[in-house]
Amino acid sequence: DVKVTQSSRYLVKRTGEKVFLECVQDMDHENMFWYRQDPGLGLRLIYFSYDVKMKEKGDIPEGYSVSREKKERFSLILESASTNQTSMYLCASSPIPTGTSGSADTQYFGPGTRLTVL
Amino acid sequence: KQEVTQIPAALSVPEGENLVLNCSFTDSAIYNLQWFRQDPGKGLTSLLLIQSSQREQTSGRLNASLDKSSGRSTLYIAASQPGDSATYLCAVDNQGGKLIFGQGTELSVKP
Repeated sequence: DVKVTQSSRYLVKRTGEKVFLECVQDMDHENMFWYRQDPGLGLRLIYFSYDVKMKEKGDIPEGYSVSREKKERFSLILESASTNQTSMYLCASSPIPTGTSGSADTQYFGPGTRLTVL
Repeated sequence: KQEVTQIPAALSVPEGENLVLNCSFTDSAIYNLQWFRQDPGKGLTSLLLIQSSQREQTSGRLNASLDKSSGRSTLYIAASQPGDSATYLCAVDNQGGKLIFGQGTELSVKP
C-alpha cells in the first residue's frame, strides 16, 4: 500500500529556531512536494523536487529551503522560524506523469504536520 | 497564471441526496484534473483523476467530469452518506506534476 509519512503530527517551536520537517515515501516516486495549508488561502506549493538533489521553487519559497539527498526523503527547512510560518504542512509524492488512464499519475499525501511557532 | 475556483464553499445536505460540486479553471492547457478528499486535521486522499484526453471517471458512488474547453469539472456524489462529510478539493496539473488547488468545498451530510 502506498505510504507517505511525515516525521511529526504536531510541532511547537520558538521564533528564530531552525526547524526540520521530514517526509519519506516508499513508492519509489520521482516527484516530491511540500505545501502549506492555511484557512482562506488553501494549499500553496512551497518547493518541489523532480529528482535526487534537484529542487524547484514553488509559489511561496521565501523563508524555506529543502533538501533531497535520497530519492525517498524530502526535507523542508525553516532557517529561522517566524510566527507567520505557523501552518499545516503537507508533503506529497507522485510518479513522473504518464498521461495514461487511471490513477497512476495522482499525488499521494502524508498526514500533515501542524506547526506552531511561538 | 492558472486559477482554480470551487463553488460552493460549503454545502449541507440531508442523507441520501445526490449532489454536485463544481470546479472551474482559467487555463485549459492541463495535463489532468484531480479530486481529493480531506478530513479535518488530516492529509488529502485522492478520489479521482481525469486525464486531459478524458471526459469523465467513475469510482463507486463518485463520478467526475471534465470539460476542458469551458474550464469546468464537476464531482457528482450519489446517495450521499454522513461518512461523505469532508472537504473536497479540486486540483489541476498543467506543468507535468505541479498541482494548483481550489479552496475546497466543505460538505456536511446530515443523518
